[in-house]
Amino acid sequence: GQNIDQPTEMTATEGAIVQINCTYQTSGFNGLFWYQQHAGEAPTFLSYNVLDGLEEKGRFSSFLSRSKGYSYLLLKELQMKDSASYLCAVMDSNYQLIWGAGTKLIIKP
Amino acid sequence: NAGVTQTPKFRVLKTGQSMTLLCAQDMNHEYMYWYRQDPGMGLRLIHYSVGEGTTAKGEVPDGYNVSRLKKQNFLLGLESAAPSQTSVYFCASNGAEPYNEQFFGPGTRLTVL
Repeated sequence: GQNIDQPTEMTATEGAIVQINCTYQTSGFNGLFWYQQHAGEAPTFLSYNVLDGLEEKGRFSSFLSRSKGYSYLLLKELQMKDSASYLCAVMDSNYQLIWGAGTKLIIKP
Repeated sequence: NAGVTQTPKFRVLKTGQSMTLLCAQDMNHEYMYWYRQDPGMGLRLIHYSVGEGTTAKGEVPDGYNVSRLKKQNFLLGLESAAPSQTSVYFCASNGAEPYNEQFFGPGTRLTVL
């Protein structure tokens, strides 16, 4: 079967760095996405990785290792507005997204 | 550009009633999707469309029907609502390639009593 695993909840301090991990087992791989979802709102796109390595975009970076079925999202200089759920999703061989349940990130002052 | 819009935002149904959720996008996107989101679970694909006049089943299609008569609109119908269909429904769309980022509508919160 297809499976995406990520921690249910994480807590971090304003100004710090946090790493959210995602492991996956899917039938085929056409890329991995990270989305941010604030409570009561729609998901919004953060990053897309299809090759191994690190992609940096401002305070956010995303890493992929296809051989290990592993990705992480790194958030630096945390701000209160970063409190949200972070969704990991893998595009399978049918070009359909398989979604993890999301990691709720709580930022404390 | 409004992006992706959904109507209604909220709805309460009684078991056995039917309804249609409307999704509209003004980005000329080929691909459109209907997902449901339940607590503790990832988004699950109900149906999707790869272009005007086409539809296909996703992971959880039972109890739902869809139509894409116009490129900009994707309708989701519940034939006979059940309490198990209480959920938040999101519509999404993306452009020329399926691996492009998906743009989501604001969601419809549906409660079936």
